[in-house]
Amino acid sequence: NAGVTQTPKFQVLKTGQSMTLQCAQDMNHNSMYWYRQDPGMGLRLIYYSASEGTTDKGEVPNGYNVSRLNKREFSLRLESAAPSQTSVYFCASRSWTSTYEQYFGPGTRLTVT
Amino acid sequence: KNQVEQSPQSLIILEGKNCTLQCNYTVSPFSNLRWYKQDTGRGPVSLTIMTFSENTKSNGRYTATLDADTKQSSLHITASQLSDSASYICVVSFTSGGSYIPTFGRGTSLIVHP
Repeated sequence: NAGVTQTPKFQVLKTGQSMTLQCAQDMNHNSMYWYRQDPGMGLRLIYYSASEGTTDKGEVPNGYNVSRLNKREFSLRLESAAPSQTSVYFCASRSWTSTYEQYFGPGTRLTVT
Repeated sequence: KNQVEQSPQSLIILEGKNCTLQCNYTVSPFSNLRWYKQDTGRGPVSLTIMTFSENTKSNGRYTATLDADTKQSSLHITASQLSDSASYICVVSFTSGGSYIPTFGRGTSLIVHP
């Protein structure tokens, strides 16, 4: 089992460019999440998908869109990147049958210049 | 507003010593509380998970306590090792409309010196 994988690991964008962060899990989990982590801040929830076919906004959804492509994959899209979106992005997944534990990917470090 | 406050913000201790990290929360309705360890450049990894009815949970040298009445939790690390140097994050979750929403603290940065 690879667990939760994220691509790319690093990315540099210019302001206004678009990109999609990919996330996949092989644990047959129902729920998936996207977070951003900034220095001195806790992880903040951007979007989540409680189950395949559903997505909901989290605490900081502005400037982002998501797609739950299937049970395994949950992508995060930045349509027009801004310097304020420079951050480390983490994807996580959770099984409805687990004891509430989330499993995190290794993160994507994004810089917008 | 649901909030999770952690203290201290940072802590430096000598190898072999014990330490205790604190977490206070205002999350409601409470579902569960977790402590994560996050090494630099990596995603968080779960250490302990506690529900409302549990007041202590151990994982090796890590022991978490929960007082649901005062809405406080602590993480005690015994006989610290250099590999314990990391950020420790308290996460408190509530349920909303059938979904499970975690709220993260900002973390305590622990440095263990030889």
